[in-house]
Amino acid sequence: QKEVEQNSGPLSVPEGAIASLNCTYSDRGSQSFFWYRQYSGKSPELIMFIYSNGDKEDGRFTAQLNKASQYVSLLIRDSQPSDSATYLCAVNNDMRFGAGTRLTVKP
Amino acid sequence: DAGVIQSPRHEVTEMGQEVTLRCKPISGHDYLFWYRQTMMRGLELLIYFNNNVPIDDSGMPEDRFSAKMPNASFSTLKIQPSEPRDSAVYFCASSPGVGGQPQHFGDGTRLSIL
Repeated sequence: QKEVEQNSGPLSVPEGAIASLNCTYSDRGSQSFFWYRQYSGKSPELIMFIYSNGDKEDGRFTAQLNKASQYVSLLIRDSQPSDSATYLCAVNNDMRFGAGTRLTVKP
Repeated sequence: DAGVIQSPRHEVTEMGQEVTLRCKPISGHDYLFWYRQTMMRGLELLIYFNNNVPIDDSGMPEDRFSAKMPNASFSTLKIQPSEPRDSAVYFCASSPGVGGQPQHFGDGTRLSIL
């Protein structure tokens, strides 16, 4: 069974800090990686995707991919209370999601 | 783009009853996925279709669950008979492809089996 692992948290950071979310995967052949955000009672929504090793930045969000170590991370800079949600990592080769990390940003 | 449309949004029924969940994918998306989400197990892939054909149903928990996609714009997930442990949020998602294309989720159906 191919696995996607995330620390379920909860992760709590103060407003303005950097939140770091991590995900590891078992399938070395994986090529595409996605981060979704899910607010309580809502459906997952895509916030970032990354295919190549290295960093990809989009506004306050940075996705980092290291295929050799089989991990992908999401950094949220200048965290805001509105970022409080569960963040899901997805490895699209087999359409499976990690369990999600619950992030709380405290004012 | 109307997005992925699921119905009903909420369903409450008694154990043993048949439950049918419905999904209309985004037009032009060739892939359709059914997921189940619970606190204990997270977001689980149940089954997915490509061009209306079921490709992987290994996540379907047991024979009580069945899914169909009679055409490109409609899919159903049926539970018969339903049990309390089936209570969860069921999401439908669609995608123009896999291995590189993100999935677009519907709002989900919150199912409660009493």
